[in-house]
Amino acid sequence: NFMLTQPHSVSESPGKTVTISCTRSSGSIASNYVQWYQQRPGSAPTTVIYEDNQRPSGVPDRFSGSIDSSSNSASLTISGLKTEDEADYYCQSYDSSSWVFGGGTKLTVL
Amino acid sequence: EVQLVESGGGLVQPGGSLRLSCAASGFTFSSYWMSWVRQAPGKGLEWVANIKQDGSEKYYVDSVKGRFTISRDNAKNSLYLQMNSLRAEDTAVYYCARVSSWPDYWGQGTLVTVSS
Repeated sequence: NFMLTQPHSVSESPGKTVTISCTRSSGSIASNYVQWYQQRPGSAPTTVIYEDNQRPSGVPDRFSGSIDSSSNSASLTISGLKTEDEADYYCQSYDSSSWVFGGGTKLTVL
Repeated sequence: EVQLVESGGGLVQPGGSLRLSCAASGFTFSSYWMSWVRQAPGKGLEWVANIKQDGSEKYYVDSVKGRFTISRDNAKNSLYLQMNSLRAEDTAVYYCARVSSWPDYWGQGTLVTVSS
Protein backbone atom coordinates (compact mmCIF):
# COMPACT_ATOMS: atom_id res chain seq x y z
CA ASN A 1 0.00 0.00 0.00
CA PHE A 2 1.08 3.56 -0.59
CA MET A 3 0.00 7.04 0.42
CA LEU A 4 -0.42 10.22 -1.57
CA THR A 5 0.79 13.31 0.28
CA GLN A 6 -0.41 16.81 -0.58
CA PRO A 7 0.34 20.15 1.06
CA HIS A 8 -2.41 21.09 3.47
CA SER A 9 -2.91 24.51 1.94
CA VAL A 10 -1.62 26.90 -0.70
CA SER A 11 -2.51 30.48 -1.48
CA GLU A 12 -1.91 32.80 -4.37
CA SER A 13 -3.24 35.99 -5.89
CA PRO A 14 -5.71 36.25 -8.77
CA GLY A 15 -4.03 36.07 -12.16
CA LYS A 16 -1.04 34.16 -10.81
CA THR A 17 -0.07 30.50 -11.24
CA VAL A 18 -0.13 27.89 -8.50
CA THR A 19 1.08 24.30 -8.45
CA ILE A 20 -0.21 21.64 -6.06
CA SER A 21 1.95 18.57 -5.55
CA CYS A 22 0.96 14.98 -4.80
CA THR A 23 3.81 12.71 -3.72
CA ARG A 24 3.53 8.93 -3.79
CA SER A 25 5.12 7.23 -0.79
CA SER A 26 6.17 3.98 -2.45
CA GLY A 27 6.08 2.52 -5.91
CA SER A 28 6.37 4.58 -9.05
CA ILE A 29 4.03 7.52 -9.65
CA ALA A 30 4.09 6.53 -13.30
CA SER A 31 2.77 3.02 -12.68
CA ASN A 32 -0.87 4.16 -12.22
CA TYR A 33 -2.78 7.12 -13.59
CA VAL A 34 -3.39 10.10 -11.34
CA GLN A 35 -6.61 12.10 -11.26
CA TRP A 36 -7.35 15.49 -9.69
CA TYR A 37 -10.69 16.58 -8.24
CA GLN A 38 -11.97 20.00 -7.28
CA GLN A 39 -14.41 20.29 -4.40
CA ARG A 40 -16.04 23.59 -3.55
CA PRO A 41 -17.61 23.99 -0.09
CA GLY A 42 -20.86 22.09 0.24
CA SER A 43 -20.52 20.47 -3.18
CA ALA A 44 -19.53 17.10 -4.57
CA PRO A 45 -16.10 16.65 -6.15
CA THR A 46 -15.67 17.18 -9.87
CA THR A 47 -12.84 15.96 -12.09
CA VAL A 48 -10.41 18.56 -13.36
CA ILE A 49 -7.66 16.20 -14.59
CA TYR A 50 -7.76 12.50 -15.42
CA GLU A 51 -5.10 10.05 -16.58
CA ASP A 52 -2.26 12.30 -15.39
CA ASN A 53 -2.81 15.19 -17.80
CA GLN A 54 -6.16 14.94 -19.57
CA ARG A 55 -8.83 17.58 -19.12
CA PRO A 56 -12.53 16.65 -19.21
CA SER A 57 -14.64 18.70 -21.56
CA GLY A 58 -15.69 21.91 -19.91
CA VAL A 59 -12.59 22.27 -17.76
CA PRO A 60 -10.64 25.35 -18.85
CA ASP A 61 -7.12 24.92 -20.21
CA ARG A 62 -5.88 26.95 -17.25
CA PHE A 63 -5.83 23.57 -15.48
CA SER A 64 -3.01 21.17 -16.34
CA GLY A 65 -1.56 18.01 -14.85
CA SER A 66 1.82 16.34 -14.99
CA ILE A 67 3.90 13.66 -13.33
CA ASP A 68 7.58 13.76 -12.38
CA SER A 69 9.29 10.44 -11.87
CA SER A 70 12.36 12.05 -10.32
CA SER A 71 10.32 13.33 -7.37
CA ASN A 72 7.75 10.53 -7.63
CA SER A 73 5.00 13.07 -7.65
CA ALA A 74 2.12 14.42 -9.68
CA SER A 75 1.27 18.08 -9.97
CA LEU A 76 -1.80 20.14 -10.71
CA THR A 77 -1.04 23.58 -12.12
CA ILE A 78 -3.66 26.30 -12.33
CA SER A 79 -2.70 29.40 -14.27
CA GLY A 80 -4.49 32.74 -14.47
CA LEU A 81 -6.04 32.11 -11.07
CA LYS A 82 -9.63 33.23 -10.55
CA THR A 83 -11.48 33.61 -7.28
CA GLU A 84 -13.79 30.81 -8.42
CA ASP A 85 -10.82 28.41 -8.31
CA GLU A 86 -10.81 28.66 -4.52
CA ALA A 87 -11.61 25.11 -3.40
CA ASP A 88 -10.17 21.89 -2.04
CA TYR A 89 -8.20 19.78 -4.51
CA TYR A 90 -7.60 16.04 -4.18
CA CYS A 91 -5.30 13.75 -6.12
CA GLN A 92 -6.24 10.09 -6.56
CA SER A 93 -4.55 6.99 -7.92
CA TYR A 94 -4.86 3.23 -7.78
CA ASP A 95 -3.38 0.49 -5.61
CA SER A 96 -4.18 -2.92 -7.01
CA SER A 97 -7.99 -3.04 -6.97
CA SER A 98 -8.45 -0.12 -4.61
CA TRP A 99 -8.28 3.65 -4.84
CA VAL A 100 -6.03 5.97 -2.89
CA PHE A 101 -6.83 9.65 -2.33
CA GLY A 102 -4.45 12.33 -1.19
CA GLY A 103 -5.39 14.25 1.93
CA GLY A 104 -6.47 17.31 -0.02
CA THR A 105 -5.11 20.82 -0.50
CA LYS A 106 -7.08 23.95 0.31
CA LEU A 107 -6.44 26.58 -2.34
CA THR A 108 -7.04 30.15 -1.27
CA VAL A 109 -7.14 32.83 -3.95
CA LEU A 110 -6.63 36.18 -2.29
CA GLU B 1 -27.36 14.37 -18.52
CA VAL B 2 -25.73 12.01 -16.04
CA GLN B 3 -27.46 12.11 -12.68
CA LEU B 4 -26.68 10.22 -9.49
CA VAL B 5 -29.00 10.72 -6.54
CA GLU B 6 -28.17 9.17 -3.18
CA SER B 7 -30.69 8.49 -0.44
CA GLY B 8 -31.03 6.55 2.77
CA GLY B 9 -28.72 8.47 5.06
CA GLY B 10 -29.65 9.49 8.56
CA LEU B 11 -28.91 9.12 12.25
CA VAL B 12 -28.20 5.61 13.51
CA GLN B 13 -26.89 4.25 16.80
CA PRO B 14 -23.52 2.49 17.03
CA GLY B 15 -23.94 -1.13 16.06
CA GLY B 16 -26.92 -0.32 13.89
CA SER B 17 -27.54 -0.78 10.18
CA LEU B 18 -28.41 1.44 7.25
CA ARG B 19 -28.91 0.90 3.53
CA LEU B 20 -27.91 3.60 1.12
CA SER B 21 -29.29 3.80 -2.40
CA CYS B 22 -28.09 5.63 -5.49
CA ALA B 23 -30.47 6.17 -8.40
CA ALA B 24 -28.68 6.60 -11.71
CA SER B 25 -29.97 8.16 -14.92
CA GLY B 26 -28.69 9.70 -18.14
CA PHE B 27 -26.33 6.84 -19.04
CA THR B 28 -26.32 3.08 -19.56
CA PHE B 29 -25.93 2.06 -15.93
CA SER B 30 -25.15 -1.59 -16.69
CA SER B 31 -22.07 -0.58 -18.70
CA TYR B 32 -20.15 1.00 -15.85
CA TRP B 33 -18.35 0.03 -12.69
CA MET B 34 -19.80 2.00 -9.77
CA SER B 35 -18.30 3.17 -6.52
CA TRP B 36 -19.00 4.56 -3.06
CA VAL B 37 -16.68 7.22 -1.64
CA ARG B 38 -17.14 8.88 1.75
CA GLN B 39 -16.04 12.07 3.43
CA ALA B 40 -16.05 12.49 7.20
CA PRO B 41 -16.99 15.98 8.44
CA GLY B 42 -14.13 18.39 7.71
CA LYS B 43 -11.96 15.57 6.36
CA GLY B 44 -10.77 14.30 3.01
CA LEU B 45 -12.17 11.77 0.57
CA GLU B 46 -11.97 8.04 1.32
CA TRP B 47 -12.77 5.31 -1.17
CA VAL B 48 -15.18 2.73 0.28
CA ALA B 49 -16.10 0.15 -2.37
CA ASN B 50 -16.33 -0.64 -6.08
CA ILE B 51 -18.56 -3.02 -8.00
CA LYS B 52 -18.23 -4.37 -11.52
CA GLN B 53 -20.90 -3.94 -14.18
CA ASP B 54 -22.51 -7.32 -13.55
CA GLY B 55 -21.81 -7.38 -9.81
CA SER B 56 -19.36 -10.28 -10.14
CA GLU B 57 -16.44 -8.35 -8.63
CA LYS B 58 -16.55 -6.23 -5.50
CA TYR B 59 -13.73 -4.49 -3.66
CA TYR B 60 -13.71 -2.78 -0.28
CA VAL B 61 -11.44 -0.64 1.86
CA ASP B 62 -10.10 -2.72 4.76
CA SER B 63 -11.96 -0.71 7.40
CA VAL B 64 -15.39 -1.78 6.11
CA LYS B 65 -14.70 -5.36 5.00
CA GLY B 66 -17.16 -7.76 6.61
CA ARG B 67 -19.48 -4.91 7.64
CA PHE B 68 -20.48 -3.20 4.38
CA THR B 69 -21.84 -4.78 1.20
CA ILE B 70 -22.01 -3.06 -2.16
CA SER B 71 -24.62 -4.28 -4.64
CA ARG B 72 -26.51 -3.14 -7.70
CA ASP B 73 -29.74 -3.74 -9.60
CA ASN B 74 -29.17 -2.99 -13.27
CA ALA B 75 -32.87 -3.38 -14.04
CA LYS B 76 -33.59 -0.54 -11.63
CA ASN B 77 -30.48 1.52 -12.47
CA SER B 78 -29.62 1.51 -8.80
CA LEU B 79 -26.56 1.09 -6.63
CA TYR B 80 -26.72 0.14 -2.96
CA LEU B 81 -24.53 0.08 0.12
CA GLN B 82 -25.68 -2.08 3.02
CA MET B 83 -23.91 -0.90 6.16
CA ASN B 84 -23.97 -3.07 9.28
CA SER B 85 -22.25 -2.85 12.67
CA LEU B 86 -21.87 0.88 12.19
CA ARG B 87 -19.27 2.78 14.20
CA ALA B 88 -18.81 6.42 15.07
CA GLU B 89 -15.94 6.58 12.59
CA ASP B 90 -18.34 5.68 9.76
CA THR B 91 -19.97 9.09 10.17
CA ALA B 92 -19.58 10.79 6.79
CA VAL B 93 -21.21 12.03 3.63
CA TYR B 94 -21.42 9.04 1.30
CA TYR B 95 -21.12 9.72 -2.43
CA CYS B 96 -21.88 7.31 -5.22
CA ALA B 97 -19.80 7.71 -8.33
CA ARG B 98 -19.77 6.39 -11.87
CA VAL B 99 -16.44 4.85 -12.80
CA SER B 100 -14.77 5.37 -16.16
CA SER B 101 -11.43 4.05 -14.92
CA TRP B 102 -11.74 6.98 -12.53
CA PRO B 103 -14.84 8.41 -10.79
CA ASP B 104 -16.03 10.79 -13.49
CA TYR B 105 -19.48 11.67 -12.13
CA TRP B 106 -20.48 12.01 -8.50
CA GLY B 107 -23.80 12.35 -6.74
CA GLN B 108 -24.45 15.07 -4.19
CA GLY B 109 -24.04 12.68 -1.29
CA THR B 110 -26.10 11.51 1.68
CA LEU B 111 -25.08 12.09 5.29
CA VAL B 112 -24.74 9.17 7.67
CA THR B 113 -24.36 10.01 11.36
CA VAL B 114 -23.51 7.25 13.81
CA SER B 115 -24.16 8.44 17.33
CA SER B 116 -26.00 7.47 20.47
